Amino acid sequence: QQQVKQSPQSLIVQKGGISIINCAYENTAFDYFPWYQQFPGKGPALLIAIRPDVSEKKEGRFTISFNKSAKQFSLHIMDSQPGDSATYFCAASRNFNKFYFGSGTKLNVKP
Amino acid sequence: GAGVSQSPRYKVAKRGQDVALRCDPISGHVSLFWYQQALGQGPEFLTYFQNEAQLDKSGLPSDRFFAERPEGSVSTLKIQRTQQEDSAVYLCASSLSRLAFQETQYFGPGTRLLVL
Repeated sequence: QQQVKQSPQSLIVQKGGISIINCAYENTAFDYFPWYQQFPGKGPALLIAIRPDVSEKKEGRFTISFNKSAKQFSLHIMDSQPGDSATYFCAASRNFNKFYFGSGTKLNVKP
Repeated sequence: GAGVSQSPRYKVAKRGQDVALRCDPISGHVSLFWYQQALGQGPEFLTYFQNEAQLDKSGLPSDRFFAERPEGSVSTLKIQRTQQEDSAVYLCASSLSRLAFQETQYFGPGTRLLVL
């Protein structure tokens, strides 16, 4: 059973637009929800993370919205830029040991 | 400062060959993770160390996969009798400590393994 489901698989956004990527999880014991950005040939890099005791976290142009009752969380990228074009992964873990990743969203921001 | 490094970056193996993949975590990082990333997929957890102790190896796909971190720093992932389905990118990540929530995992660039 897939622990974290991510959508969409790919996303095309115009420069300056808002990119929205969604994830849903199964295990209510998860207590840490990070988002990672990955460029080709590189390892994932942490963008932003949230714990379930808050509903929203914002860092610069990146915002996580968290809905505990629906077991869903999403990444919003405001004022999307061509340099944001990458693959984005959501993840979830309990006690910060075993991490479950989503299948990824390939974002293409058109100039 | 230096990040997580992995070697080799690329490895081509013939089916049945044994391979060893190395991970050098950030100095002082207590936690170390190994992941397998198939093409176009998210990383999948393989195993996790805290210092030299392997606390979770539930993600290792078979007994052909073995990981060690004998001195609590460098780690090696060994795959015996490689099969074509082992072809993937193997990622290593380290973090300072699992005791602090929201502790950042730093990923290495990965080793791309191709089994022919």
